[in-house]
Amino acid sequence: QSVLTQPPSASGTPGQRVTISCTGSSSSIGSNYVYWYQHLPGTAPKLLISRSNQRPSGVPDRFSGSKSGTSASLAISGLRSEDEGNYYCAAWDDSLRGMSFGGGTKLTVL
Amino acid sequence: EVQLLESGGGLVQPGGSLRLSCAASGFSFGSYAMGWVRQAPGKGLQWVSSISSNSGNTYYADSVKGRFTISRDNSKNTVYLRMNALRVEDTAFYYCVKVESSGGWYGCDFWGQGTLVTVSS
Repeated sequence: QSVLTQPPSASGTPGQRVTISCTGSSSSIGSNYVYWYQHLPGTAPKLLISRSNQRPSGVPDRFSGSKSGTSASLAISGLRSEDEGNYYCAAWDDSLRGMSFGGGTKLTVL
Repeated sequence: EVQLLESGGGLVQPGGSLRLSCAASGFSFGSYAMGWVRQAPGKGLQWVSSISSNSGNTYYADSVKGRFTISRDNSKNTVYLRMNALRVEDTAFYYCVKVESSGGWYGCDFWGQGTLVTVSS
C-alpha cells in the first residue's frame, strides 16, 4: 500500500486534456515538493514535473503540475498516443524520513 | 549529458548478498545526492535508499533498513548499494537515480536504465 494515492487508471482520446491526482498527507505533500514521472514500457522513468510545478528542460508544455494542501495533480493537454504509459507522483515524507511514490496511474489513449 | 550505468545485478539465493554499482558521468557528481529506486515485476516504483552529496546523511526504506547499505565514492563518481540477507521480495529492477540537490530529501531528476536482481532458490 502506497503512502501517496493515485487512481490506478486514466484515459482520454487524442487532443483531450486529462488530469491525474495524487493525495498524500501533511508530512508528505503538505510539507514537501511533489515530483511526477513518466514510465513508458521498456524505458527508464523520466522526470516530467519537478518541485510541484516546474517543467524540466525538454518536457513539452502540454504537461503541467500543481499542488494544493496535501494533494497534487498532473495535467496533460493535447493528449497524444505516445503519452500512453504509467505516471507516478513522489514526495519526501518527513514522518517516514524517506521518499514515497504513488502506486502509479496507467494512462490509456483511446 | 547525464549518464548513470548500473552493474552488479544477477541471480542470488535467499539470504545471499549482492553489491550494485552505479557509475555516473556528465555532471558534478560530488555536488548531488544519489539514490536507488526499484520496481518489482508487475509492481510500481519503490524508493529504496538515498545518500547526500558528502555521505553525511543516508536514508532507507523500512523494508530494507538493516539489510542494505548505500555508499558513494566521489573520487570514482560511483554510488553503491550493498544488499545483504536478500529475500524473494527484493526481486526487482534496481534503478540508480541522481537527486536534484545535495540533500537526499529531494526528488530525482535522472534515472539509469536499471539492473535486474533476482532472488530465488
